Formats: sequence, structure tokens, C-alpha cells
Amino acid sequence: TQLLEQSPQFLSIQEGENLTVYCNSSSVFSSLQWYRQEPGEGPVLLVTVVTGGEVKKLKRLTFQFGDARKDSSLHITAAQPGDTGLYLCAGKSYNFNKFYFGSGTKLNVKP
Amino acid sequence: DVKVTQSSRYLVKRTGEKVFLECVQDMDHENMFWYRQDPGLGLRLIYFSYDVKMKEKGDIPEGYSVSREKKERFSLILESASTNQTSMYLCASSLGQSNEKLFFGSGTQLSVL
Repeated sequence: TQLLEQSPQFLSIQEGENLTVYCNSSSVFSSLQWYRQEPGEGPVLLVTVVTGGEVKKLKRLTFQFGDARKDSSLHITAAQPGDTGLYLCAGKSYNFNKFYFGSGTKLNVKP
Repeated sequence: DVKVTQSSRYLVKRTGEKVFLECVQDMDHENMFWYRQDPGLGLRLIYFSYDVKMKEKGDIPEGYSVSREKKERFSLILESASTNQTSMYLCASSLGQSNEKLFFGSGTQLSVL
């Protein structure tokens, strides 16, 4: 069983469209991270959110941490082909100093 | 920028062979991690290490062992490879001391035949 559930698993959209990816859990996390992974490479950190309700923006990407620190969302405005990749959320537990990763959302942005 | 280097991009081994996956980081990071990545399952933690000669089991340690003799190097060992260990293996490091950013290597795609 997956501690963090991501949805959707796959997303194929046209350039210029908006999208939202969700990361949900029944567990509470001390912080949550979002990574992007391109084919043949390791994941690269995009953002870390720490405070419940926190919103962070990275150009056209908006990240939100749920008030209860159990869930998060990633919203992309006006998606570009360069946004194509696998998006992974990772929650850090309070009890153990390790990260639990979601199963990932594979995004394809068509020109 | 931190560089995490994994020794092989692709590896093909036979069932029962002993397999070594090597990982080196060049930024004096305290923490090092081994994950495996399988479609639909995300990244699952195999082992991690907070210091030289220290190791902790992750969520799926069965069939694996690790070695950290030097701070910069973290090795993953498959004592007797099996077909269900066919996977993408990712090494990562982090500075430690509450700095939580993980830096990943490019991965090793291991096929066990």
C-alpha cells in the first residue's frame, strides 16, 4: 500500500492548458516536497512546503500544502512542452527522518 | 552543484549473481540513500546511512545490504540477485543537519535474467 497517493497517474494535455496534480495521504507529514524527473535522469527538487496551508509559487507552478499537512497540490498554468516529465511528491514523517514518495504523475504536454 | 554519480547506467546480471551498485557524491553530504523505482509504485527506500559505517533499513531491505566505508561512497549489494530485483535503482544524498534537499544520481537500470 502506498502512503502517498497521487492523481492522476497520467495526464496528456495541449500546450497552454492548465492542470492540477494531487498528492493525498491519511498521514501527517512535517514537510512535503515536489520533484520532477525527466527520462534517463534522477528526480530534481522543485519545492519544499513546511507550514500547513502554505502556498509557494515557482514561475507558472503553484504548490499548496494542506491545512492538516496530509495533502498537497501542484497547479501548472499555461503548460509548456518543457513541463513534460514525471512529478513526484514526497512527505517527510515526524517519527523517522526519511521521505515517503508517491507513485508519480506522468505529464505529457503536446505542442 | 552537487554531483551524485552512479557507476553504471545499465546492468544485466544473471539470477544468483552477486551485484554491486556504487554511488559517489562530491559535496561532503552526511546522508545517503538507496531507492528503487518501479512503474506505478514510485520510489521505495531500501537503505539509508547518516554517517560512515552507519546504516539503517528502509522500507524494503530484504535481499539487499549496503556498505559505507567512506563518507562519499555508498554501495548497494544484492547478495544473490533474483528476477524480482529487476528495477531502476536511484542513489541520493542530502547535507543533513535538517537540510532536507535530496540530490539524486541518474539511476542504474538493473535487469536480472
